[in-house]
Amino acid sequence: NAGVTQTPKFQVLKTGQSMTLQCAQDMNHEYMSWYRQDPGMGLRLIHYSVGAGITDQGEVPNGYNVSRSTTEDFPLRLLSAAPSQTSVYFCASSYRVGQGTPQYFGPGTRLTVT
Amino acid sequence: AQRVTQPEKLLSVFKGAPVELKCNYSYSGSPELFWYVQYSRQRLQLLLRHISRESIKGFTADLNKGETSFHLKKPFAQEEDSAMYYCALSDYGGSQGNLIFGKGTKLSVKP
Repeated sequence: NAGVTQTPKFQVLKTGQSMTLQCAQDMNHEYMSWYRQDPGMGLRLIHYSVGAGITDQGEVPNGYNVSRSTTEDFPLRLLSAAPSQTSVYFCASSYRVGQGTPQYFGPGTRLTVT
Repeated sequence: AQRVTQPEKLLSVFKGAPVELKCNYSYSGSPELFWYVQYSRQRLQLLLRHISRESIKGFTADLNKGETSFHLKKPFAQEEDSAMYYCALSDYGGSQGNLIFGKGTKLSVKP
């Protein structure tokens, strides 16, 4: 199993550009989520999904869109990048929904918006 | 409101010394607590779950509901323990198991 994979590893965008961060898992996990990691802020939840076709907002959803058309994939779209979105983005998944279960994290995407 | 507090941004100890990373939480229900570790420029990895009551890499953590704490302890720190440690809370019912993270404590173990 590859686990949770993310592409790209690094990305530089200009203000106003759009892009999609890719996340995939091959563990047949129901639950997937996106976090951003900023110095001194820990990890904050952006969006999450409890299954294909179902998504919901986390703590900091503004400026981001998600979709979950398959169990395996959970892309994160930045509609119009802003410098405040410079961060490290982590995708995570867990095998079931409804109870606290360990989440498995991807390697991260380091995004810089100039 | 649900909250996880890690009061120390940085903890520096010498090799062989005991280490305790503090974590306090605020939650009215029945939380599940985790410790995650992130080594330099790597992904987060699960270290401990409170319900497992296990010892991983010599680390232990006990949930104290009276003090709403879940401190991480190791009797003898090793240089390879240097990393960022995050305490996280997950509720069972309300938020589908979403994790709420503390801001993290950077552990530095000096030789």
